[in-house]
Amino acid sequence: DAGVTQTPRHEVAEKGQTIILKCEPVSGHNDLFWYRQTKIQGLELLSYFRSKSLMEDGGAFKDRFKAEMLNSSFSTLKIQPTEPKDSAVYLCASSPTGDEQYFGPGTRLTVL
Amino acid sequence: AQSVTQPDARVTVSEGASLQLRCKYSYSGTPYLFWYVQYPRQGLQLLLKYYSGDPVVQGVNGFEAEFSKSNSSFHLRKASVHWSDSAVYFCVLSPDSNYQLIWGSGTKLIIKP
Repeated sequence: DAGVTQTPRHEVAEKGQTIILKCEPVSGHNDLFWYRQTKIQGLELLSYFRSKSLMEDGGAFKDRFKAEMLNSSFSTLKIQPTEPKDSAVYLCASSPTGDEQYFGPGTRLTVL
Repeated sequence: AQSVTQPDARVTVSEGASLQLRCKYSYSGTPYLFWYVQYPRQGLQLLLKYYSGDPVVQGVNGFEAEFSKSNSSFHLRKASVHWSDSAVYFCVLSPDSNYQLIWGSGTKLIIKP
């Protein structure tokens, strides 16, 4: 079975640019999550979808971060405009149950 | 308050030796508990999970964990570590099987040759 895939694996952006990260969940999983991982903050939940409906929009991340799930097999995370403090690893996860989550390899974002 | 504490930021073990990584949780209800591993420059992988029943659960690659309600703990063990086990290990709590996972701060495992 294919796991969660994320593209690109690495992204370098200039401050103020718009970037779009992509995620394909495990086939048949109803739940999809976007996280940001940094050494200082650890894992922070950005968005949560259940059966394509947005259930959690990450509170403090609402301003410049927007996740979408146009169909059950594809999701995007848009950051607009990017800032240097957005440099982090962005992880996508999917789950059949909500709690047992399966993660993709992540996208390492560097904002200059 | 719900929380997960991994008291050891780094653990160094010789290859072939046994391993225990500690995890304590705080939660008044029935906890669902997980251990995840993150290898360098990779995503997180589920090692094992505990929902109920036998307090000792088996995971991948020879890992096991033991749940203790009296001690509010979920320690991870392995009988004999290999150099490829070098990674960061996270203990995770799912309160009431909720999607809002509560993550420990992680323990970096270093294997000495």
